[in-house]
Amino acid sequence: DIQMTQSPSSLSASVGDTVTITCRASQDISSLLNWYHQQPGKAPKLLIYAASSLQDGVPSRFSGRRSGTDFTLTISSLHPEDFAIYFCQQYYNAPYTFGQGTKLEIK
Amino acid sequence: QVQLVQSGAEVKKPGASVKVSCQASGYTFSDYGISWVRQVPGQGPEWMGWISGYNGDTKYTQKLQGRVTLTTDTSTRTAYMELRSLRSDDTAVYYCARDQKYSVNWFDFWGQGTLVTVSS
Repeated sequence: DIQMTQSPSSLSASVGDTVTITCRASQDISSLLNWYHQQPGKAPKLLIYAASSLQDGVPSRFSGRRSGTDFTLTISSLHPEDFAIYFCQQYYNAPYTFGQGTKLEIK
Repeated sequence: QVQLVQSGAEVKKPGASVKVSCQASGYTFSDYGISWVRQVPGQGPEWMGWISGYNGDTKYTQKLQGRVTLTTDTSTRTAYMELRSLRSDDTAVYYCARDQKYSVNWFDFWGQGTLVTVSS
């Protein structure tokens, strides 16, 4: 199975800050990676697909990049509703694995 | 608007089976697939399987192969996930999510989740 390793596991930031979350794949997955966030008690929500494409309706302060097997999600100018848990997910090979999550908390 | 509405919470004994439904609305069912994802509280999600709304093709995680079956009823736009021989470590929230028609890609709309508790 492809392992997806996220860092950091938790992050504290303030409204208005810019933060970056990293996801590293255990092998080449091309650009077949998605990003989601999840609020407590809710289903995950798709933010970015295919490494860098912004899902319809998602604010442009979210952006994704790929560098080899490393993927980053950057959130510019944090809004209060951005404090959540973030997951990456690969769809290169079954089983389609998720990272363990990065919890973004308000400082 | 796209909506996926799942059936309610279930409590089952070890060894039993559970069947969760997911009714879709707001889009052409046969133009997409449905993936099922489960999540133990405090852990990352786990993909379980995918079914095409177009032709019923399926793909399962090897971990659950033989215990899980995905089906659809196109007349009612409903997808079903059945999990058999339940164990305590199957306790989780189960989600259906809209996926692509021919393969697993990204999950752009999700159901509200169904808590399945396995306990003696």
